[in-house]
Amino acid sequence: DAKTTQPPSMDCAEGRAANLPCNHSTISGNEYVYWYRQIHSQGPQYIIHGLKNNETNEMASLIITEDRKSSTLILPHATLRDTAVYYCIVRAVYSGSARQLTFGSGTQLTVLP
Amino acid sequence: GAGVSQSPRYKVAKRGQDVALRCDPISGHVSLFWYQQALGQGPEFLTYFQNEAQLDKSGLPSDRFFAERPEGSVSTLKIQRTQQEDSAVYLCASSLGQRGANTGELFFGEGSRLTVL
Repeated sequence: DAKTTQPPSMDCAEGRAANLPCNHSTISGNEYVYWYRQIHSQGPQYIIHGLKNNETNEMASLIITEDRKSSTLILPHATLRDTAVYYCIVRAVYSGSARQLTFGSGTQLTVLP
Repeated sequence: GAGVSQSPRYKVAKRGQDVALRCDPISGHVSLFWYQQALGQGPEFLTYFQNEAQLDKSGLPSDRFFAERPEGSVSTLKIQRTQQEDSAVYLCASSLGQRGANTGELFFGEGSRLTVL
C-alpha cells in the first residue's frame, strides 16, 4: 500500500472548518483513500473513504485532487469533540478479501474553544 | 452487542506472566484483526482472521504471541512470558468482509491496555 504524509499537528477554532491535508504521491490506480480518527482512549473510528471523486457524509467531506496525489479531509464545523488523531490511509480494496489498514502517525487535531 | 467488545480494558502483569485478551466482534462479521498500539504511535497490524482461519500473522512480533478464533466469532490474543516491551494497547477490529461487498470499513473496539511491570 502507498505511503501517506500528514502534518503531525494542527489547531482549529471551534465552529470553524478544519482542513486536514494528506499527501499520497505514490498512490496506485486501485487504491482508495481512507480516513479514520482516534479520540483519546478509544479505538479508531471510520470517517470516510474515496477513490477519485469527492465524497461527503454526515461526518466530513473528502476532497481528492485530480491527479490523486493528495487529499483533504474537511470537518465543516469543528467542535471540541472532534479533537483527535486523524489518520489518512491508502489501501487497495480487493473483492473477496479484507486487507488490514496500515496506520501512520496521523495528525493530532486540537479544536480550541 | 452493537459494537466490538474487548476485555479486560486494563491488565497489569508481572514480567514473565501469561496474559489472554478477548475480543467479541460484531455479530456476523467475517473478518477480525488484532492491532498493537504503543504510546504515541499509530496502531500496528498483528494478525488477521477470516472466519476461523488465521490468514495472516505476519505482524506478530515473536512466537510468544498467539491468536485464535476457533469458532469464527470470539477471538483471544495470548501473550506468553510477557516482557516490558509488550506494554501497549491491543486493539481488535472486525469487518463484514463479504465477497464483493467489502468497503474496507473496520470497526474497532476500545482496546485492552496491557502494562507489564
